[in-house]
Amino acid sequence: DARVTQTPRHKVTEMGQEVTMRCQPILGHNTVFWYRQTMMQGLELLAYFRNRAPLDDSGMPKDRFSAEMPDATLATLKIQPSEPRDSAVYFCASGPRTVSGYTFGSGTRLTVV
Amino acid sequence: RKEVEQDPGPFNVPEGATVAFNCTYSNSASQSFFWYRQDCRKEPKLLMSVYSSGNEDGRFTAQLNRASQYISLLIRDSKLSDSATYLCVVNPTTNAGKSTFGDGTTLTVKP
Repeated sequence: DARVTQTPRHKVTEMGQEVTMRCQPILGHNTVFWYRQTMMQGLELLAYFRNRAPLDDSGMPKDRFSAEMPDATLATLKIQPSEPRDSAVYFCASGPRTVSGYTFGSGTRLTVV
Repeated sequence: RKEVEQDPGPFNVPEGATVAFNCTYSNSASQSFFWYRQDCRKEPKLLMSVYSSGNEDGRFTAQLNRASQYISLLIRDSKLSDSATYLCVVNPTTNAGKSTFGDGTTLTVKP
């Protein structure tokens, strides 16, 4: 089965440090999403791309978060500087143009201390 | 009011029971609908799409009621392995776009 690959699986970092999360979407999927999940907020959409172009990043705190797709096989989500409130699971998901649901990666579990 | 609302539960049912979840959405122009399943500390996984005509996959049946703006998921003969959180998803377009996830309904099936 095709998979969305996220790295790292776990990350523990100190407040103020830069964190970069990576995602390899399924080959052929042209829509890529970044979600954040916490116990309190559920799944929040941070940003999404179609054909590598950012379509919506309104869910992302722009002062510290940035999302990019340098090429079709890589999406990145960067937090600089990180804060304890950023502790969450960050999921990447990808989907084809036509609606058939998304495939999620296993997530990056981020802990900022 | 949230765009997509689900009863958070938890629903605690015995094995073999039939259980139904509803999910309401506020955008009447919404075009596509899905149910996802999420196990504890795992990623959400697509369970099934929801069509106006309704669709069935084994013990699972999904229905869409556009007039009342809700979707439902029925699980018959529930198994212990059905224990999970079920998320409904509403998409405003027919293309893969900015979907809205409900907060999920937690189901626990007990022996």
